[in-house]
Amino acid sequence: DIQMTQSPSTLSASVGDRVTITCRASQSISNWLGWYQQKPGKAPKLLIYEASSLQSGVPSRFSGSGSGTEFTLTISGLQPDDFATYFCQQYNSYSQYTFGQGTKLEI
Amino acid sequence: EVQLVESGGGLVQPGGSLRLSCAASGFMFKSYWMSWVRQAPGKGPEWVANIWEEGGQKYYVDSVKGRFTISRDNAENSLYLQMNSLRDEDTAVYYCARLGVGSGSLDIWGQGTLVTVSS
Repeated sequence: DIQMTQSPSTLSASVGDRVTITCRASQSISNWLGWYQQKPGKAPKLLIYEASSLQSGVPSRFSGSGSGTEFTLTISGLQPDDFATYFCQQYNSYSQYTFGQGTKLEI
Repeated sequence: EVQLVESGGGLVQPGGSLRLSCAASGFMFKSYWMSWVRQAPGKGPEWVANIWEEGGQKYYVDSVKGRFTISRDNAENSLYLQMNSLRDEDTAVYYCARLGVGSGSLDIWGQGTLVTVSS
């Protein structure tokens, strides 16, 4: 099974900051990776798919990069609405999806 | 508006059964792969199952194989999850989600339904 390791688990930042979250896969997943934002009591929301493609309607301050086993989510110019928990998810195979353990972005 | 609405959650005793439903609207349901994803309290999401457009291919996480069954009714625009032999560790919010076209990412999610397994 493919394991996903996210870091850091908690990240403290301020409005206007640029932050980066990292996700590592236990084996190569090409670019089959998504990033999600989740707020308390709500469903996850897709931000980035195929590692670097911005989902429709998502602000351009969100960007993703990487391939193989190393991936990053960058938020440039943090806004108050961005403080949430972020998850990566690999979908290298339809028979096995895995999520990272999450990064809580705090003020 | 593209929408997924889950129902059927509740309190069930260990060893019991429950059937979750997900009503889809605002898109051509029969053309999309669909998923169930769950999230235990205070934990990250866990993928549970996938089903392809016609329902012929189904995939499950190991921990639910033989106990859960994903199915769909394209005429009713509905997705289902039959859960049998429920365990304490199955307690979670269950979400249905749509796979993006040509992608395995989950681009549309429902609001979730809570399943609590407890005696």
